[in-house]
Amino acid sequence: AQSVTQLDSHVSVSEGTPVLLRCNYSSSYSPSLFWYVQHPNKGLQLLLKYTSAATLVKGINGFEAEFKKSETSFHLTKPSAHMSDAAEYFCVVTDLLAGGTSYGKLTFGQGTILTVHP
Amino acid sequence: NAGVTQTPKFRILKIGQSMTLQCAQDMNHNYMYWYRQDPGMGLKLIYYSVGAGITDKGEVPNGYNVSRSTTEYFPLRLELAAPSQTSVYFCASSYSSAGVDYGYTFGSGTRLTVV
Repeated sequence: AQSVTQLDSHVSVSEGTPVLLRCNYSSSYSPSLFWYVQHPNKGLQLLLKYTSAATLVKGINGFEAEFKKSETSFHLTKPSAHMSDAAEYFCVVTDLLAGGTSYGKLTFGQGTILTVHP
Repeated sequence: NAGVTQTPKFRILKIGQSMTLQCAQDMNHNYMYWYRQDPGMGLKLIYYSVGAGITDKGEVPNGYNVSRSTTEYFPLRLELAAPSQTSVYFCASSYSSAGVDYGYTFGSGTRLTVV
């Protein structure tokens, strides 16, 4: 079974300072991991994904995440926060089931709300 | 290229009423999903489909039904609406082949209130 834990429900930073959103996962097989962003009253937008290639994944809008298998973590970072980054962020995992297929079922973390202060 | 289209965007239902949430995708994706989003809970999978004519339950299927007669459409049916079904519903699709997932596309959501 797969699960995702986002360690902070809320993160508050000042504009121009670094962002760190933490995510730990549990997975039976080879996981694919994603970060999605949701702005208020909007749909979900893919920031980046890890699918067993390079462990440091670069995404859109300056975000990146590092897959650390030994720590079962996939933390999201950005060097310098912008006001437009204020949103809710979801860490997501999908497992390959025995036999090599996942049916694409996503397991979402509870979400982290990022607030950016001027 | 429309992607995943959900209708309606908003709906208010009375307890006991029924309705169908529509979802259509034009990307020829084989997999389609319905999720519900509740505050502080992330998204929970209601039903999914791996192809036309094939559907299966997700994590929270009670009170819902689905059908997938074609690749493009995956409607979600609510029978006897209850206040607990007040939520934001997202339809999604993805393409997967030989065990590789090629990414997911989400619709913009349907905000449903049951009163």
